[in-house]
Amino acid sequence: QVQLQQSGPGLVKPSQTLSLTCAIFGDSVSSKSAAWNWLRQSPSRGLEWLGRTYYRSKWYNDYAISVKSRINVNPDTSKNQFSLHLNSVTPEDTAIYYCARGDSSGSSYYFNSWGQGTLVTVSS
Amino acid sequence: SYVLTQPPSVSEAPGKTARITCGGSNIGGKSVHWYQQKPGQAPVLVIYYDTDRPSGIPERFSGSNSGNTATLTISRVEAGDEADYYCQVWHSSSDHPVFGGGTKLSVL
Repeated sequence: QVQLQQSGPGLVKPSQTLSLTCAIFGDSVSSKSAAWNWLRQSPSRGLEWLGRTYYRSKWYNDYAISVKSRINVNPDTSKNQFSLHLNSVTPEDTAIYYCARGDSSGSSYYFNSWGQGTLVTVSS
Repeated sequence: SYVLTQPPSVSEAPGKTARITCGGSNIGGKSVHWYQQKPGQAPVLVIYYDTDRPSGIPERFSGSNSGNTATLTISRVEAGDEADYYCQVWHSSSDHPVFGGGTKLSVL
């Protein structure tokens, strides 16, 4: 049973960088079958995928077009965790942020473990 | 981009069968995954690859997918099934996941 534990601040000022960390228990960030994702949820945007990192002999990243210019998702193999950095935030980035384990066994992809969620408010 | 359409709400009496739909262009040609989200909690995967149930999910939860509509069926609905339900597919053109807007299931 994979467990994900999120940490990070709940309040970020406009124009600054939102940073969250997701610690992995019961799996490895270097898994060759899983991918490690960040998503967010807000009343205006619903559930929105932001990006992922995964290892397949080397590290890969994918990002949503909507945040591609502002986002980084990084693995930390020494701590078995991964992080989200979203810069130049605005009040529109206010949301509940989730980390999630992604899995696939074919042409599709789903999220079978989720962190507890972190409400991040962007406000001065 | 690919759009998934869900009804905002569905209501059903305890013991009856609830059906939650997810519409999308030729969604029958894609694999659909379903999540349950209770207030204040993270989503939980309840159906993947149209019909498969993760361990620990009751057999009362089942799924189907054909044509332009995928359906999550909850048999013998219980008060504990009250939640928001989201469908999700992988959009191969953009190489990104896409979620439906969610359906609130109310147990009368």
